[in-house]
Amino acid sequence: SQTIHQWPATLVQPVGSPLSLECTVEGTSNPNLYWYRQAAGRGLQLLFYSVGIGQISSEVPQNLSASRPQDRQFILSSKKLLLSDSGFYLCAWIASASTDTQYFGPGTRLTVL
Amino acid sequence: GQNIDQPTEMTATEGAIVQINCTYQTSGFNGLFWYQQHAGEAPTFLSYNVLDGLEEKGRFSSFLSRSKGYSYLLLKELQMKDSASYLCAVRVTMIYNQGGKLIFGQGTELSVKP
Repeated sequence: SQTIHQWPATLVQPVGSPLSLECTVEGTSNPNLYWYRQAAGRGLQLLFYSVGIGQISSEVPQNLSASRPQDRQFILSSKKLLLSDSGFYLCAWIASASTDTQYFGPGTRLTVL
Repeated sequence: GQNIDQPTEMTATEGAIVQINCTYQTSGFNGLFWYQQHAGEAPTFLSYNVLDGLEEKGRFSSFLSRSKGYSYLLLKELQMKDSASYLCAVRVTMIYNQGGKLIFGQGTELSVKP
């Protein structure tokens, strides 16, 4: 069966510090991978998606970036965090077929102080 | 543009039935999803509709009308544990991404009272 992992689970970082969040998927090959952010009391905002190694598409302009160094690894990064980067970051995956369901990882709660 | 609307909050009584509506205006529609999200947790998949009609899964049912841009999630025999946020999401097709992407509504916070 497929499993998706995210770490860390929670993170408190000062403004201006760097960020690296990791997501890995087990039990599947060549998944589509997604990064979402959910601010407090708000819906999910799609940040990045990837259809393969090294292929990243950005949905919104921001100071975040994403990378996919391996088939089942998706990384979200920032060089300098802003207060507005606080939120719940969720990684999601689907198999490549268009009818598949999107499943979410457990999430990382980021607080920028 | 892409737009998905659902009520912000709803309250219902344990044992009752509740219907959560979702309307959408999107291009490239390729299915509608409902997720449940408890506070502090990730969303979990509830249902998926791509054709018009009703899909039933135990206490949960979801309905879709593509011509009206409308869906609802029906929860029967409500339990206290059903108190959560319910997210409506539309998948839109993309040229170089066969899996498409999901556009989410803001979520409906359901409170089940005894």
